[in-house]
Amino acid sequence: GQQVMQIPQYQHVQEGEDFTTYCNSSTTLSNIQWYKQRPGGHPVFLIQLVKSGEVKKQKRLTFQFGEAKKNSSLHITATQTTDVGTYFCAGRKSSASKIIFGSGTRLSIRP
Amino acid sequence: DAGVIQSPRHEVTEMGQEVTLRCKPISGHDYLFWYRQTMMRGLELLIYFNNNVPIDDSGMPEDRFSAKMPNASFSTLKIQPSEPRDSAVYFCASSLGDTIYFGEGSWLTVV
Repeated sequence: GQQVMQIPQYQHVQEGEDFTTYCNSSTTLSNIQWYKQRPGGHPVFLIQLVKSGEVKKQKRLTFQFGEAKKNSSLHITATQTTDVGTYFCAGRKSSASKIIFGSGTRLSIRP
Repeated sequence: DAGVIQSPRHEVTEMGQEVTLRCKPISGHDYLFWYRQTMMRGLELLIYFNNNVPIDDSGMPEDRFSAKMPNASFSTLKIQPSEPRDSAVYFCASSLGDTIYFGEGSWLTVV
């Protein structure tokens, strides 16, 4: 069945350093979404990418969708303590299939 | 909108007791999801409904788990009898389209 893998599982960085998490699917995706879950909170939608090779930015966050629509990345420039949390990617093969969440990357930050 | 509303927020129960978790999705959303999150297994999709009809319950772990959606504004997830390994955060979520909106979760502890 469809699988969505995320690496790394954990990342501990110094505040101000950059951070990247990668998402890889075993199948081509129709779109990919990214969610953020703060400690003790619930996943919150960040963004959706639909087009092959698409790049979107939200302030210090840059999201990319691979040319083959099988992988994606989230890059945070100059991390801040407010970036702490777990970042999930989620994708689906088609509009008729269910959304599959990746295993998540937990980001912690040293002040 | 108030978002997805779940109750109870926290529950501690004894092994063998019945647990009922409740969810009110966002008005107008046609999909409702139940997820379970643990440290060991991450975010798991248990079941989802489309227009109140269960579409995929392949994630429901055992016959002890059941879910209903009697109308568009209410769903329940029941565990009977509960076991310590059911301890987790249970999220209800709803969507209209691809973006999934999560509730704040029900934190269940079975002792």
